Amino acid sequence: SQKIEQNSEALNIQEGKTATLTCNYTNYSPAYLQWYRQDPGRGPVFLLLIRENEKEKRKERLKVTFDTTLKQSLFHITASQPADSATYLCASADSWGKLQFGAGTQVVVTP
Amino acid sequence: DTGVSQDPRHKITKRGQNVTFRCDPISEHNRLYWYRQTLGQGPEFLTYFQNEAQLEKSRLLSDRFSAERPKGSFSTLEIQRTEQGDSAMYLCASSLEGGGLYNEQFFGPGTRLTVL
Repeated sequence: SQKIEQNSEALNIQEGKTATLTCNYTNYSPAYLQWYRQDPGRGPVFLLLIRENEKEKRKERLKVTFDTTLKQSLFHITASQPADSATYLCASADSWGKLQFGAGTQVVVTP
Repeated sequence: DTGVSQDPRHKITKRGQNVTFRCDPISEHNRLYWYRQTLGQGPEFLTYFQNEAQLEKSRLLSDRFSAERPKGSFSTLEIQRTEQGDSAMYLCASSLEGGGLYNEQFFGPGTRLTVL
């Protein structure tokens, strides 16, 4: 079965730097990968979706890449701000739209 | 607020009791998903509906769990004879058809269940 793996260690980063998070999948290449942000005690909030045939997607200070050879997606937050501190979840979707999430990576941005 | 709402936000119960959670999705969304999330983990899929039809249930969903979506609007998730291992955040999400595949899912704030 498919597994979605994210770095479980928190990423501590200084304000203004670029945070880079990794999402690896183990088996088949999902048609889509999605990235969500989750704040403590809240539900996840959708950020970006990238299709299998897309190499890169951008939205404001966020960038996602999808490398089917490496079975990996990278998520970048450029010019990070303390308000970006949260847990970031990677998810793959099956043909029915059901999401399979990784455990998430916590990002802490310090001023 | 026209987002996904869940009720209650918190529930504390004693082992062996039954609990029921409610989810009100975004009104035009025909798909509704339930997930469970424990500390330090991502949400795990439990079940989902397209309109009123329950299309899939995870193997995580034991016979003590049942979900309904009468009339294809709100949904309820019931847990019978709760166990301490049921303690978790229960998240509901809704989407247009294809949500998760090529449409985003919109999540509610969750119901945090604590079983004593």
